[in-house]
Amino acid sequence: GAGVSQSPSNKVTEKGKDVELRCDPISGHTALYWYRQRLGQGLEFLIYFQGNSAPDKSGLPSDRFSAERTGESVSTLTIQRTQQEDSAVYLCASSSNRDGEKLFFGSGTQLSVL
Amino acid sequence: GQSLEQPSEVTAVEGAIVQINCTYQTSGFYGLSWYQQHDGGAPTFLSYNALDGLEETGRFSSFLSRSDSYGYLLLQELQMKDSASYFCAVTGGFKTIFGAGTRLFVKA
Repeated sequence: GAGVSQSPSNKVTEKGKDVELRCDPISGHTALYWYRQRLGQGLEFLIYFQGNSAPDKSGLPSDRFSAERTGESVSTLTIQRTQQEDSAVYLCASSSNRDGEKLFFGSGTQLSVL
Repeated sequence: GQSLEQPSEVTAVEGAIVQINCTYQTSGFYGLSWYQQHDGGAPTFLSYNALDGLEETGRFSSFLSRSDSYGYLLLQELQMKDSASYFCAVTGGFKTIFGAGTRLFVKA
């Protein structure tokens, strides 16, 4: 696609429910990142994929968080048993092998846990 | 581990020059990047320095000193539309880690 696409753009859920966030990277981009950004804060690294392999999962906050990627395509971030502190914008980014340092970001999913 | 420090806020006048500093501690350092983020928007890539020195792209320049673990973003001829948050980021190993961001306010 033309850019990184994330869905849904907004998600309101009740505490304890599971949510699934989706990211469609730019076609041909092998690297894919998930970040979390709380209001007025910086970007918190969650996980990185190279192809469908995740060499670095060190940023996942707890075992309630998991992510997977299908080939060099779509990725889903799943949060189980959501808590209020999970409320944030979840940003996905992708980059190519040639310019790995240049991350292209999606518009994010605003998650609100009530 | 990796950590970055940058000022939380900077205020400058339209037409002026402003410098946003970034110091970092990291292992496996590849380079230093800068991103701009307007309120409610996604971060957008501005520049990347892998080697020491100054990189210039229009009104924006970025500098890196690997020996000092230090870099800065220089914005010239400030415009109101430059009001945004600016993040430095280090790329090393398999990930890119971002600083907490500097909020730039441009006044008329």
